[in-house]
Amino acid sequence: QKEVEQNSGPLSVPEGAIASLNCTYSDRGSQSFFWYRQYSGKSPELIMFIYSNGDKEDGRFTAQLNKASQYVSLLIRDSQPSDSATYLCAVNVVGYQKVTFGTGTKLQVIP
Amino acid sequence: GAGVSQSPSNKVTEKGKDVELRCDPISGHTALYWYRQSLGQGLEFLIYFQGNSAPDKSGLPSDRFSAERTGGSVSTLTIQRTQQEDSAVYLCASSLEAETEAFFGQGTRLTVV
Repeated sequence: QKEVEQNSGPLSVPEGAIASLNCTYSDRGSQSFFWYRQYSGKSPELIMFIYSNGDKEDGRFTAQLNKASQYVSLLIRDSQPSDSATYLCAVNVVGYQKVTFGTGTKLQVIP
Repeated sequence: GAGVSQSPSNKVTEKGKDVELRCDPISGHTALYWYRQSLGQGLEFLIYFQGNSAPDKSGLPSDRFSAERTGGSVSTLTIQRTQQEDSAVYLCASSLEAETEAFFGQGTRLTVV
């Protein structure tokens, strides 16, 4: 089992809809969770981080963490074509210390 | 500098040559990562440095790859006897501490011809 798993997509949503991106992780002791956005040909950039169970909102983005079920999700409200990118989930795996990345989900927002 | 800086931005090298890629992390960041990303693929972890601890080299694909971090700051990734399959974007990232968010440099695009 991979440490961090994401559906590779592509996930296609119409403009204005809610995009839901999911990530599961294997280490129950993980403490830190991050979402990165990577545009084609660019480096990943951090968009959200969450440490506690529940929801964390930042503008159109909401990160949701459920440690009991070992998943973290990212919701993008009012999706825009400019949101089309690959979204990477990253998790701090306790015992390894370093942050581990999933392979990413490609999101396509259709105008 | 304000962000993670990598040099060169692009490198074209002949098969069999050695290359060195440089990463200047954000000042004060104790953790430094190297990743490789082939076209259309995810991030492939290569090596991780954290403070004075022994580096985690578990992602290095072969003994042709090595990296060092001098003085807890600048890091150099060296690829010896480059092969065409080494062609990729090499990304460096740093974080303040082991468990905190990582910030990426702009990457070095390596092309082996």
